[in-house]
Parts: sequence; C-alpha cells; structure tokens
Amino acid sequence: DQQVKQNSPSLSVQEGRISILNCDYTNSMFDYFLWYKKYPAEGPTFLISISSIKDKNEDGRFTVFLNKSAKHLSLHIVPSQPGDSAVYFCAARDAGNNRKLIWGLGTSLAVNP
Amino acid sequence: DTAVSQTPKYLVTQMGNDKSIKCEQNLGHDTMYWYKQDSKKFLKIMFSYNNKELIINETVPNRFSPKSPDKAHLNLHINSLELGDSAVYFCASSLLSTGELFFGEGSRLTVL
Repeated sequence: DQQVKQNSPSLSVQEGRISILNCDYTNSMFDYFLWYKKYPAEGPTFLISISSIKDKNEDGRFTVFLNKSAKHLSLHIVPSQPGDSAVYFCAARDAGNNRKLIWGLGTSLAVNP
Repeated sequence: DTAVSQTPKYLVTQMGNDKSIKCEQNLGHDTMYWYKQDSKKFLKIMFSYNNKELIINETVPNRFSPKSPDKAHLNLHINSLELGDSAVYFCASSLLSTGELFFGEGSRLTVL
C-alpha cells in the first residue's frame, strides 16, 4: 500500500517551459515533504522541501506547493532546462514513525532543447 | 571532498557468499541510513541509526546486519547472498531534526 504516489512515471517538456511534477499522499501524520533529484549512477540529491504548516516554498527556479486538504503536492520548475532532466522523487516524513521518510516511485523528467 | 562515501561502488559475487559495503559521512550528521533500490527503482529504507543506536529496522532478512562503529560510519554486512539481493544499495545521512538526507553514490551489488 503506497502512502506516497507519483502517478506519472515520466514527463517530457520543452526547454524554457514549465515542468510540473505531482505527488499524492495518504497519511495525515506526514509533517514534512521533500523533493529529490536523481541522475543515473548517482545518489539522490536534495532539491527543496516544505513543512506541512506551509503551502508554498520557493527556491530559484523551483517552487513546491502543498495542498493539505487534497493531500497533494507539486514541484514546479520554471524555466525548465536540459540539465533538469533526471528522476524526481517525492518523499514524506512520517512524524509518527521515527520521522521515517516514505518515498514515491519517482517521475522521470526529460527536458528537450 | 565527498560528503557521503560508500565502497565498493560495484560488487559482483556468487550466491552464498558473504559481503560488506562500507559507508562514511563527514557532514557531522547524527543519523545514517541504508536504502535498497530494486529493479523497479523503488527506494526502500532498510535501517537507520541515530547516534549509533538502531532506530529503524524494516522487515529485512536476518542475513542483513548493519554495524555502526561510530556516528560517522554505518556498514552493511550481508550473509549467504541470494539472487534477489541484487540491487543498488544507497547509504545516506542526515540530522534527525531536519530530515534532509544526503546520499552516497550507491553500491551496485550483482549476485550470480
């Protein structure tokens, strides 16, 4: 039973346009959400996070939006660049379970020049 | 200067053998983790140690034994390797208070 779902396994976007990656969760005990980026043959790299008490966090070209009532978060990348092509993982921290991170399956983003 | 380093990066071995993967972090973090990424690319936590104390121990066969000699090291020993153990194993570290994990590059284990 997946508590964190990334329903789109892949996404293709044109350079300069906006990339929107989505993530849904089921557990209301999640208190912190993180996005990680992973290139092939490398470990995941932390990108951006948001606390459950906020609805938006912005860092340069990356913005994460949280809709608690819908149990949905999204990562916006604008403008998208070819170097953003990677797998993006959504993760949620379970405050009720030793702060364990629960991971989605990832979305593979391809940004085309 | 690598923040989280794990060795070896690649490991090919026969079924039934025993092998270890080592991990070291120089970030001053208090918590370290082992994750397994299987063929479906799913990242699944195996173990977590906070200040050398085991705090997360998922349903993992007893053949897998983590060892944390100090806060900066978390090694993974696997006995009697099976075909299904083939995967990429990632070490990570964090401050427990922040939850932002820093990952190593991964160790690809292939069991023949």
